Amino acid sequence: SQQGEEDPQALSIQEGENATMNCSYKTSINNLQWYRQNSGRGLVHLILIRSNEREKHSGRLRVTLDTSKKSSSLLITASRAADTASYFCATPPSGGSNYKLTFGKGTLLTVNP
Amino acid sequence: NAGVTQTPKFRVLKTGQSMTLLCAQDMNHEYMYWYRQDPGMGLRLIHYSVGEGTTAKGEVPDGYNVSRLKKQNFLLGLESAAPSQTSVYFCASSYLLAGGQPPYEQFFGPGTRLTVL
Repeated sequence: SQQGEEDPQALSIQEGENATMNCSYKTSINNLQWYRQNSGRGLVHLILIRSNEREKHSGRLRVTLDTSKKSSSLLITASRAADTASYFCATPPSGGSNYKLTFGKGTLLTVNP
Repeated sequence: NAGVTQTPKFRVLKTGQSMTLLCAQDMNHEYMYWYRQDPGMGLRLIHYSVGEGTTAKGEVPDGYNVSRLKKQNFLLGLESAAPSQTSVYFCASSYLLAGGQPPYEQFFGPGTRLTVL
């Protein structure tokens, strides 16, 4: 069953602009992760935010988590053409089993030079 | 370190043929996973393993079998391929945190693109 759902499905911006992607999930979680997938490649882990955290930064990435709304956002600042990729949120299933993740369907980000 | 590698990168099968996809990791990770990725469906977990000699079913296990005879290898088998198994297959691995806590992030291989005619 789909736990996380990203929004929008696709996003096109100009280089230098900020990109914001959202993820909504259904049940309680103890962490939420974001992954990036370049075309034709495997997924790469970007950042993890725990349920007791509200915001986390990593370089040009900023992730927020609102457990009351069951939602998370990923902000990429000063985007570059190399940021063009699909972005997925992933959560462990409710009730434990942190070693398994459920992935959303992804947001396809296109950054135009 | 090579990380997670997958063999082969591409394969075309005819309906009813069998094949084995190989995943290898050199990070001494305990946990390994097989996913399939289809357009508009995201990643779906096929089977996973929490350690050498163990396997378990994921979300979409039908038509697939797995084995984890060695800690570094996780094999995915298709006994009788069907067109519905046309997909991109990803292997991933993960590690136990200090103190034996369950893992969080997963490390992915580059994928195997399988077409079943």
